Amino acid sequence: RKEVEQDPGPFNVPEGATVAFNCTYSNSASQSFFWYRQDCRKEPKLLMSVYSSGNEDGRFTAQLNRASQYISLLIRDSKLSDSATYLCVVNPFSGGGADGLTFGKGTHLIIQP
Amino acid sequence: DAGVIQSPRHEVTEMGQEVTLRCKPISGHNSLFWYRQTMMRGLELLIYFNNNVPIDDSGMPEDRFSAKMPNASFSTLKIQPSEPRDSAVYFCASRPRTDPRSPLHFGNGTRLTVT
Repeated sequence: RKEVEQDPGPFNVPEGATVAFNCTYSNSASQSFFWYRQDCRKEPKLLMSVYSSGNEDGRFTAQLNRASQYISLLIRDSKLSDSATYLCVVNPFSGGGADGLTFGKGTHLIIQP
Repeated sequence: DAGVIQSPRHEVTEMGQEVTLRCKPISGHNSLFWYRQTMMRGLELLIYFNNNVPIDDSGMPEDRFSAKMPNASFSTLKIQPSEPRDSAVYFCASRPRTDPRSPLHFGNGTRLTVT
């Protein structure tokens, strides 16, 4: 099983719709989780951190399910500008010396007018 | 805040040539990461440094790759000799070491093409 797995998509979604996608991780000891966004031919940028109790930032909601080892991202009222690749990121360590983040390959989202 | 600065933005070279990629992290950030991104493999961690010391280089593909961080404000990734399969986008990223939950800040990347 790969360390971090995502459905590559593409997800084609009409503008205004709600879309959700998941990411599974293999290391049950993983401590930190993030969603990054990457636009075509650009660098990844942090979208939001994922907290144990779940968290919301405007139209975006992130959830963590430790028992099933997955995190999710929900986008409500999708905009054309939400079209991008969404990368799931897991840090298997809680701190200390070794803490390299592991990225999923990303889910490609296309919002259609 | 100037962000993470990488150079060059694009590099086209012939197989067998030496390639040097450069990175200047955000001032005050103590951790620096080198990633490689391809369509097939996604973002792969090559190596990372804490306080200029290499911590984990297990992602470096082979001996042709080497990375250095001579001081807190500069790092290089060198490929010698380069091969066509090294063609990818190479990202440098930094973050404060004190909090592993803090996000990575990526540079714009270097798009390397080896012919």
